[in-house]
Amino acid sequence: EAQVTQNPRYLITVTGKKLTVTCSQNMNHEYMSWYRQDPGLGLRQIYYSMNVEVTDKGDVPEGYKVSRKEKRNFPLILESPSPNQTSLYFCASSSPRASGRYTDTQYFGPGTRLTVL
Amino acid sequence: QQQVKQSPQSLIVQKGGISIINCAYENTAFDYFPWYQQFPGKGPALLIAIRPDVSEKKEGRFTISFNKSAKQFSLHIMDSQPGDSATYFCAASKTGGADGLTFGKGTHLIIQP
Repeated sequence: EAQVTQNPRYLITVTGKKLTVTCSQNMNHEYMSWYRQDPGLGLRQIYYSMNVEVTDKGDVPEGYKVSRKEKRNFPLILESPSPNQTSLYFCASSSPRASGRYTDTQYFGPGTRLTVL
Repeated sequence: QQQVKQSPQSLIVQKGGISIINCAYENTAFDYFPWYQQFPGKGPALLIAIRPDVSEKKEGRFTISFNKSAKQFSLHIMDSQPGDSATYFCAASKTGGADGLTFGKGTHLIIQP
């Protein structure tokens, strides 16, 4: 089954304790992104990656790090989490537009609800 | 600066009625406009999408209307059903989608039976 998986699904942690949220896709997609979703703010992009070892900042990158060492994995790292990073996080993946195919369908994971106390 | 503005924030429609959600964008480099549907506890899922060389796209009860000159697009849900109750996000992308999507803030739709 084609899917994007995230782990953990739920996490409660304390300020300053480093954590990693994993993301993996089995669709051989080149592009991957991380978004955070907050009430009234919609989804905002944190980081994106166009391919292995190629990453770039999205709209809200402060306090986050990412890496793309393998095509299928795109972990999100919070080196020193703070309460304002309490949010619902989504990983997504997609492929480049192929000739004659005009779609940028992003496939989203199930989300990780993070609470930072 | 918000690049995609979505309205209304919430919407209540009677069963069988038409639900309309509107979005406006600023960046003329956007060339792909999807709508995503999200149910509680789930990730967003693509519902329908349009590109700017057409003014309307219809898939079942869902229609996107696109006005390039006004930089606006809207989602129409015909014969709205209680199962359509969800949060809807409009979005836009450019450069082949490599740098992801810019989302509106979402519309919480409730269809009353």
